[in-house]
Amino acid sequence: EAQVTQNPRYLITVTGKKLTVTCSQNMNHEYMSWYRQDPGLGLRQIYYSMNVEVTDKGDVPEGYKVSRKEKRNFPLILESPSPNQTSLYFCASSPGRELYNEQFFGPGTRLTVL
Amino acid sequence: QKEVEQDPGPLSVPEGAIVSLNCTYSNSAFQYFMWYRQYSRKGPELLMYTYSSGNKEDGRFTAQVDKSSKYISLFIRDSQPSDSATYLCAMEAGGTSYGKLTFGQGTILTVHP
Repeated sequence: EAQVTQNPRYLITVTGKKLTVTCSQNMNHEYMSWYRQDPGLGLRQIYYSMNVEVTDKGDVPEGYKVSRKEKRNFPLILESPSPNQTSLYFCASSPGRELYNEQFFGPGTRLTVL
Repeated sequence: QKEVEQDPGPLSVPEGAIVSLNCTYSNSAFQYFMWYRQYSRKGPELLMYTYSSGNKEDGRFTAQVDKSSKYISLFIRDSQPSDSATYLCAMEAGGTSYGKLTFGQGTILTVHP
């Protein structure tokens, strides 16, 4: 089954404790992206990657890191999480650079930073 | 000022009504315009996209783009309770900004029987 998986789905952590949210897709997609969704703010892009070893900042990259060492995986790293990073996070992938090719979204990761 | 503005609603309409959802934007470089639908507790799914100005129709859905006014719309005809969801507009400039998507805040739509 074609899908984007994220782990964990739910996470409660404390300020300053490094964490990684994994994202994996099994569709051989070139493009992958991370978003956060907050009430009243819609989806905001954090980072995106057009291919292996190619990453670019979205609108809200501060406090986040990503890496794209292999095509299928695109982990999101929070080196020192803070309460303002409490949010719902979505990973997405798409066949190519044209995003009107359908983006497949993962199920979301709800993160709470205390 | 946000690059993309979308009325968050909520919008409540009776079944069978015509629904109009709108976004305005300030970045004249945007060329690709998309509408996503997001059901509760799910990730967004692409509904429609339009390149540059014009109309596009797909079943009960029509997307319109007016680049001169920096205004896009999604119309839903004969709305159904199953259309109840959050609708998000999204835009991309293309070129050197390929892959960089900017979303509106989302409009919560409820279609009641």
